[in-house]
Amino acid sequence: EAQVTQNPRYLITVTGKKLTVTCSQNMNHEYMSWYRQDPGLGLRQIYYSMNVEVTDKGDVPEGYKVSRKEKRNFPLILESPSPNQTSLYFCASSPMTHSYEQYFGPGTRLTVT
Amino acid sequence: QKEVEQDPGPLSVPEGAIVSLNCTYSNSAFQYFMWYRQYSRKGPELLMYTYSSGNKEDGRFTAQVDKSSKYISLFIRDSQPSDSATYLCAMKEGGSEKLVFGKGTKLTVNP
Repeated sequence: EAQVTQNPRYLITVTGKKLTVTCSQNMNHEYMSWYRQDPGLGLRQIYYSMNVEVTDKGDVPEGYKVSRKEKRNFPLILESPSPNQTSLYFCASSPMTHSYEQYFGPGTRLTVT
Repeated sequence: QKEVEQDPGPLSVPEGAIVSLNCTYSNSAFQYFMWYRQYSRKGPELLMYTYSSGNKEDGRFTAQVDKSSKYISLFIRDSQPSDSATYLCAMKEGGSEKLVFGKGTKLTVNP
């Protein structure tokens, strides 16, 4: 089944404890992206990647890191999480850059205390 | 003025009603206009897209784009309880990789 998977789906952590949210797609998509979704603010792009080893900042990149060493994987790293990073995170992929269609993962709900 | 504006609702309608969801935008360079549907505890999924102006119909759903007014709409005919979800409009410029999303409108269709 063609899909975007994220792990973990739910995570509660404490301030300052490094964490990684994994994202993997099995559709051989070039483009991958991370969003956070917050009430009243909607979906905001954190980082995106147009291909292996090519990443760039979105609208809200502060406090996050990404890497794209393989085409299928695009992990999101929070080196020192803070409570304002409590949010619902979505990974998405597209078959090519400039595509209008993005396929979203199921989401990761992160709580930082 | 925000780039994309969408009334968050919530919107509650009886089963069978016609639903109208709308977004306005300020960036005249937008060429692709999408509607995503997001069920509770799920990721958004593409419902419909339109390139430039005009209408597009898919079953009970009709998407309209009026570029002169910078206004897009999604109509749902004969709404069903299974249509209950949050609907997000999204737009992008031609040649750009960035999607700009509205904040979403939460719709509940009551049986």
